[in-house]
Amino acid sequence: QKEVEQNSGPLSVPEGAIASLNCTYSDRGSQSFFWYRQYSGKSPELIMFIYSNGDKEDGRFTAQLNKASQYVSLLIRDSQPSDSATYLCAVSSKLTFGTGTQLKVEL
Amino acid sequence: DADVTQTPRNRITKTGKRIMLECSQTKGHDRMYWYRQDPGLGLRLIYYSFDVKDINKGEISDGYSVSRQAQAKFSLSLESAIPNQTALYFCATSGLDSSGANVLTFGAGSRLTVL
Repeated sequence: QKEVEQNSGPLSVPEGAIASLNCTYSDRGSQSFFWYRQYSGKSPELIMFIYSNGDKEDGRFTAQLNKASQYVSLLIRDSQPSDSATYLCAVSSKLTFGTGTQLKVEL
Repeated sequence: DADVTQTPRNRITKTGKRIMLECSQTKGHDRMYWYRQDPGLGLRLIYYSFDVKDINKGEISDGYSVSRQAQAKFSLSLESAIPNQTALYFCATSGLDSSGANVLTFGAGSRLTVL
């Protein structure tokens, strides 16, 4: 079992819809969870992080953490074509990234 | 200037050659990292350093070595490059933000091709 797992996609959503990206992790001792966005040919950039169970909102983005079920998700509301990128989930305790989910927002 | 600078940005070399990728940062962080990225495999940690005297292996350190010359500089070496080391390499640095989260800042990447 991989330490951090993501569906590679691509996940296609229409413009204006909600995109839901999911990530599961294996280390129950993990404390901090991060979502990075990576455009093609560019370096990853932080979107947001979460370390408490529940939801954390930042603009159009909401991170959700459920430690009991060992998953973390990212919701993107009102998806825009500029949101088309690969989204990487990271678990801080072991500095481990998932393989990323490619999101495509279609006009 | 970028917070994290990697050189070279692109390099083509031959099997068996020694290669060094360099990284410098201006964020004043103690922690620095080297990752490689391959299509479909995501980012994998090669080495990390929490301060000048602390070097740790990541999940894929075989075939690589590192040197932490100063707080701001962390270089990655391939002593004898092989074709399966062809990849995009990222250097990153991190510091604890106000909430205690260890946030990574990445360099622009170094694309290495080994023929």
